[in-house]
Amino acid sequence: EIVMTQSPATLSVSPGERATLSCRASQSVSSNLAWYQQKPGQAPRLLIYGASTRATGIPARFSGSGSGTEFTLTISSLQSEDFAVYYCQQYNNWLFTFGPGTKVDIK
Amino acid sequence: EVQLVESGGGLVKPGGSLRLSCAASGFTFSSYSMNWVRQAPGKGLEWVSSISSSSSYIYYADSVKGRFTISRDNAKNSLYLQMNSLRAEDTAVYYCARVRVVVVAGYMDVWGKGTTVTVSS
Repeated sequence: EIVMTQSPATLSVSPGERATLSCRASQSVSSNLAWYQQKPGQAPRLLIYGASTRATGIPARFSGSGSGTEFTLTISSLQSEDFAVYYCQQYNNWLFTFGPGTKVDIK
Repeated sequence: EVQLVESGGGLVKPGGSLRLSCAASGFTFSSYSMNWVRQAPGKGLEWVSSISSSSSYIYYADSVKGRFTISRDNAKNSLYLQMNSLRAEDTAVYYCARVRVVVVAGYMDVWGKGTTVTVSS
């Protein structure tokens, strides 16, 4: 099983600031990495797939990078609606695994 | 509008059974692999099971293997999860999600709102 880790567990950021979230895989997943956003009481929403491609309708302030085992999600200028939990997920094989999540909250 | 709607959740005693359904609309259901993903209260996301478009390939997480069965009916645009021998640790919101297959597996681009399963005596 590919184990996904995320850091930090919680990130406190002021609106308008930049947020950088990290995700690491226990073995290479190539670029088969997705990022999801989840707000309380809601289903997850796809943000990024293929490590760096924004999903339909996702604002340009969200960007993803990395390959292999190290990945980053960057939110360039946090808006009020961006405070949420973010999960990375590998799909290098059919035994999908998610990271534990990074909660982005208001500083 | 592309939509997934789960149903069938509820309260069940340990050892009991439950069948979840997911109704798909707004896209060609028979062309997509589908997943079930769950989230225990206050916890993160956990993949449960996958089924390919024609049901040829089926996968399970170790935590549910031998107890849960995924299936689909493409004529009814529906996905199912039969859950047997339920345990307290199966308590969660269960989401169905559409899979966009890329090379081997794929990412989940459409999610339902989820249905809640509570296993308690």
